[in-house]
Amino acid sequence: GAVVSQHPSWVICKSGTSVKIECRSLDFQATTMFWYRQFPKQSLMLMATSNEGSKATYEQGVEKDKFLINHASLTLSTLTVTSAHPEDSSFYICSASGRGHDYGYTFGSGTRLTVV
Amino acid sequence: KQEVTQIPAALSVPEGENLVLNCSFTDSAIYNLQWFRQDPGKGLTSLLLIQSSQREQTSGRLNASLDKSSGRSTLYIAASQPGDSATYLCAGGAYNQGGKLIFGQGTELSVKP
Repeated sequence: GAVVSQHPSWVICKSGTSVKIECRSLDFQATTMFWYRQFPKQSLMLMATSNEGSKATYEQGVEKDKFLINHASLTLSTLTVTSAHPEDSSFYICSASGRGHDYGYTFGSGTRLTVV
Repeated sequence: KQEVTQIPAALSVPEGENLVLNCSFTDSAIYNLQWFRQDPGKGLTSLLLIQSSQREQTSGRLNASLDKSSGRSTLYIAASQPGDSATYLCAGGAYNQGGKLIFGQGTELSVKP
């Protein structure tokens, strides 16, 4: 089945530093990648949508200069949290959809970010 | 704008019981609906995907239905087991929202041995 590999699975960083999260589609071409954030005991909130080779579309209230998304190839998308602060601590999950897929969405395993 | 609601928020049942989780959505222009399972601190595992042209999907003890006209989907779990304990999320993809999935709040299921 379709697999999306997300790394790292967890990361602890100091306030003010930047963290990069990667998502790779292993057996299909991810034409569209979605990035979600999930706070404890809450559901997934969509942050942004990126199409390969295009700029990401951010949801209302999500700072595009803080959460940098790159989707330069059909198998790789990255989310960089810049100048991270404790309030950015959350669970970040990517999801991919694309060619050679069954029109469903495959999710990565998530990244637990803790900013201290 | 698509909104997805799940009830109940939490459910506790004894092992062996059959149960139904409910999901409702506001925009009938839905092109698929997907049910996921999430274990604590983990990512999402896709359980069932129902395309807009379908009415139900089955996988093992799980059966999901989709009724676009009423804006509802249900996930039926037969003969529940303690290993089924998790949070179950439904999510709908809408044509007029760029294909993105909109998630419900989830139902936290606990199956007691």
